[in-house]
Amino acid sequence: KQEVTQIPAALSVPEGENLVLNCSFTDSAIYNLQWFRQDPGKGLTSLLLIQSSQREQTSGRLNASLDKSSGRSTLYIAASQPGDSATYLCAVRPLNFNKFYFGSGTKLNVKP
Amino acid sequence: DAGVIQSPRHEVTEMGQEVTLRCKPISGHNSLFWYRQTMMRGLELLIYFNNNVPIDDSGMPEDRFSAKMPNASFSTLKIQPSEPRDSAVYFCASTIWDEKLFFGSGTQLSVL
Repeated sequence: KQEVTQIPAALSVPEGENLVLNCSFTDSAIYNLQWFRQDPGKGLTSLLLIQSSQREQTSGRLNASLDKSSGRSTLYIAASQPGDSATYLCAVRPLNFNKFYFGSGTKLNVKP
Repeated sequence: DAGVIQSPRHEVTEMGQEVTLRCKPISGHNSLFWYRQTMMRGLELLIYFNNNVPIDDSGMPEDRFSAKMPNASFSTLKIQPSEPRDSAVYFCASTIWDEKLFFGSGTQLSVL
């Protein structure tokens, strides 16, 4: 069974800092990987989707990378802002199953 | 498109009562997922449907939970009878192969 781990569980940084969130998974036979953002009391919003054949995806200040062989993905946030404060979750979709395995998330706090 | 629509947003009920949660997926999406989120257990997959057919219900806690998808634009999750330990946020999500997973805003369920 696929297991997805996100470390650290919480992170606090000053505004303007560049930061990296980590996601690791145990089975490299994945179809794709997504990064989500969840604000308190809200649903999850997909930020970036990386197909298994891709190495990275970028959207604005966000860059997600994927290394299937090592079972790792990172979400890089450049020039962090207080509005980036939220919980970030990653999810992997296995090759032959139409379901998603989620990590427990990293709660990010960007201090003004 | 209005996104994934869930109702109600909040539900407060007494133990033993029947609860029905509703979901309208994004038009054209052929996969629908029901998740439950709690502080203790994080995000748990309860059941998912492909083309209106239940594929994997191994996450459904027990026989008190049931889910239906009578057509491509509507799904329900029913709890009967409800118990206090069912209190959680219930999310519905939809997607089509290769695409991002889109979540609804969730239903906050409180069973007293």
